[in-house]
Amino acid sequence: NAGVTQTPKFQVLKTGQSMTLQCAQDMNHNSMYWYRQDPGMGLRLIYYSASEGTTDKGEVPNGYNVSRLNKREFSLRLESAAPSQTSVYFCASRGAWGNSPLHFGNGTRLTVT
Amino acid sequence: TQLLEQSPQFLSIQEGENLTVYCNSSSVFSSLQWYRQEPGEGPVLLVTVVTGGEVKKLKRLTFQFGDARKDSSLHITAAQPGDTGLYLCAGSSGAGSYQLTFGKGTKLSVIP
Repeated sequence: NAGVTQTPKFQVLKTGQSMTLQCAQDMNHNSMYWYRQDPGMGLRLIYYSASEGTTDKGEVPNGYNVSRLNKREFSLRLESAAPSQTSVYFCASRGAWGNSPLHFGNGTRLTVT
Repeated sequence: TQLLEQSPQFLSIQEGENLTVYCNSSSVFSSLQWYRQEPGEGPVLLVTVVTGGEVKKLKRLTFQFGDARKDSSLHITAAQPGDTGLYLCAGSSGAGSYQLTFGKGTKLSVIP
């Protein structure tokens, strides 16, 4: 019962490097989300995808791009990493019911030096 | 922009004590969820409250949704070390809304 799977778990980048964070869910959920979590800032929404084929900006989208590859997979790309993007990144998915919960992956801890 | 204010930000208590965590907003939410997050893991849902004035119990945890659906509280009775973690509240503005608004969390440490 995998739920939401994120890779990698840890990553260190130099300023200016690019990388893609991968996320897959096996719960047949329509909606998928990318959050970042920083000390004292809580969870902030970067991008979300309400359904396959659509993506929308969240609260902090600058410096990121996303791709909803299919219903299962939603990737987050950093084109030119900056130290301000050092954070823990969480992918989540959610069922169709309006009050359904978010199901989170275990996160990717990213450090940009 | 809807905001959720959580208090306290940090809480350190002895095993066996009671505690209450608050989640407040000036906005009305259609529902409110509470999550717990342990180190190195993603948040996990504890409960969803939907109706104003609703009270839900989960063993030693009691959740309440304010009558006006602008605030919520989490009360833990006889805290145990296993309750240690980050508690997050999250509000939904409507059934058609895809986004949840998260509070900044309350970090709870229960000392044996």
